[in-house]
Amino acid sequence: QVQLQQSGPGLVKPSQTLSLTCAISGDSVSSNGAAWSWIRQSPSRGLEWLGRTYYRSRWYNDYAESVKSRITINPDTSKNQFSLQLNFVTPEDTAVYYCARDPEYSLSIFDCWGQGTLVTVSS
Amino acid sequence: DTQMTQFPSSVSASVGDRVTITCRASQRIDKQLAWYQQKPGKAPDLLIYTTSTLQSGVPSRFSGSGSGTDYTLTISSLQPEDFATYYCQQANNLPHTFGGGTKVEI
Repeated sequence: QVQLQQSGPGLVKPSQTLSLTCAISGDSVSSNGAAWSWIRQSPSRGLEWLGRTYYRSRWYNDYAESVKSRITINPDTSKNQFSLQLNFVTPEDTAVYYCARDPEYSLSIFDCWGQGTLVTVSS
Repeated sequence: DTQMTQFPSSVSASVGDRVTITCRASQRIDKQLAWYQQKPGKAPDLLIYTTSTLQSGVPSRFSGSGSGTDYTLTISSLQPEDFATYYCQQANNLPHTFGGGTKVEI
């Protein structure tokens, strides 16, 4: 079955870059059907979809407007994983971050999630 | 963005009760609606997608219905393992947006 394993630091200083990685087993980041998303959850903002990457003969990305100027999601085909970079973080970016799979691009649902990473933005 | 409003925000129920949770979208979402269950400290689990399709392995006591802007999740006979928080998510357009959650508690 598909499993997603997240890694990355749990503490980031304000104005610095948040970086997380999601390793995929049981599927391929280059799958021609799936899409790979980052979602965060905080008491103040609830569940918030941040963006996704997917492969359809070439790589595509979609990002939420709320973070579009600060976010990058990159696939790494050599390691079968994808990453999140969020620049210029503030305490409002403190949240549990999840990676998730959309099994079929046309469905836009999330059937497999990583374990979650609590990221705290604090000096 | 499509705003998703869930109600109630919490419901107290007993084992065996029928529970209904409602989700209202700020615009029509053409039945592109999913439901998730989340337990403390865990990631959400997909229960239902495209309004009424049960995800593999989900018990049949869970069901979904709706159209247009209004959707419901029903648990026909609440079991001890169903005490959790439930979220709706619209899958009709980007950005994917979630409801604020409904906590089902004893």
